[in-house]
Amino acid sequence: EAGVVQSPRYKIIEKKQPVAFWCNPISGHNTLYWYRQNLGQGPELLIRYENEEAVDDSQLPKDRFSAERLKGVDSTLKIQPAELGDSAVYLCASSLDRQGDYGYTFGSGTRLTVV
Amino acid sequence: RKEVEQDPGPFNVPEGATVAFNCTYSNSASQSFFWYRQDCRKEPKLLMSVYSSGNEDGRFTAQLNRASQYISLLIRDSKLSDSATYLCVGPSGSARQLTFGSGTQLTVLP
Repeated sequence: EAGVVQSPRYKIIEKKQPVAFWCNPISGHNTLYWYRQNLGQGPELLIRYENEEAVDDSQLPKDRFSAERLKGVDSTLKIQPAELGDSAVYLCASSLDRQGDYGYTFGSGTRLTVV
Repeated sequence: RKEVEQDPGPFNVPEGATVAFNCTYSNSASQSFFWYRQDCRKEPKLLMSVYSSGNEDGRFTAQLNRASQYISLLIRDSKLSDSATYLCVGPSGSARQLTFGSGTQLTVLP
């Protein structure tokens, strides 16, 4: 069974440029999460989807970040414009249930460097 | 105060040693706890769920202490391959979702 698939693995962009990340969750996992992980820190939730509905986006910086999950499967996370402080690893995860009672499965992440 | 707090370490232990990590949480109504392992430049991977009755998997034992609001991970007979960052996960107080600690770095030395 394929795990959570993310692309690209690495992205280097200049500040003020836009960037987008893509995620394909595990088949049948209705809950999808986008996390951001800075060096030496644990992942921090940006947004959580249940099917196509964003049920928690309180930590998403809405002035420059946006996300969508059309048809409740794949999801994209966009930053426009990117700032130097956005350099981090962006992780997508999915879970079988809403609360994540069985844990999450993470994709390999996108390592973003803003220069 | 962070909802989930861990000692960042690093913990440097010799091969074969027993090492324990603790993690405190603030949401007393929490139900779900986990330990994740993260290798350098890799994604976190689920190591163990933590149950009220404790959970053992080979050399790894996870326990939950609700009275003191902490969870623990015990690794016996450490192997070089156990070197990684261990992330504690517990529920967020504000929503029905999980919050990660900052991680504890373990290095097992030959």
